[in-house]
Amino acid sequence: QQQVKQSPQSLIVQKGGISIINCAYENTAFDYFPWYQQFPGKGPALLIAIRPDVSEKKEGRFTISFNKSAKQFSLHIMDSQPGDSATYFCAASFSGSARQLTFGSGTQLTVLP
Amino acid sequence: DADVTQTPRNRITKTGKRIMLECSQTKGHDRMYWYRQDPGLGLRLIYYSFDVKDINKGEISDGYSVSRQAQAKFSLSLESAIPNQTALYFCATSDVSPGTSGSMGYNEQFFGPGTRLTVL
Repeated sequence: QQQVKQSPQSLIVQKGGISIINCAYENTAFDYFPWYQQFPGKGPALLIAIRPDVSEKKEGRFTISFNKSAKQFSLHIMDSQPGDSATYFCAASFSGSARQLTFGSGTQLTVLP
Repeated sequence: DADVTQTPRNRITKTGKRIMLECSQTKGHDRMYWYRQDPGLGLRLIYYSFDVKDINKGEISDGYSVSRQAQAKFSLSLESAIPNQTALYFCATSDVSPGTSGSMGYNEQFFGPGTRLTVL
């Protein structure tokens, strides 16, 4: 099964706070886990990604934490800003699927000023 | 992104009508995809193409067909539109390069701006 489950569906955070979005997967063949960011009226764009050979990937205020044994990964946005307000999608892929992406259901993040 | 364009951006049509959504890209990528986005369901793959002669069904291909006219063009058709095909449709492209370990380039997909389709 290639499902990726994402939570929460929506998230409201105060400016400066930490936003945390969680994803869980079933297929242990997945070996690439990207996060996509989508602003209103735009298509999704790759934000950050991780391979399972590391437990954490950080780029600026964005961090992916990966727990292989639990088959879970999460996106942490530190010092959240109103400009981070967007919809975030986790995804997963593996080589046997020709690198097709299986997306989570999305999280709509609102950062209040 | 300007590199991936979709036309039209918005379309309202009636049940039973034939609709074509078009996608063009200037990124030089071989792989192209069509997704639909519905609230609470994320992005679901309709069709994908790895080159002009290679077209594959995705998770939700029923009621849709595609045409890869050239490396740069990939069209999605709804032969007889129905109301539950009302959604936001995205085209995406990617390169065949696997990228390096730990990099963000591993089949990164580049999305167009989307087409909002309403079927009445």
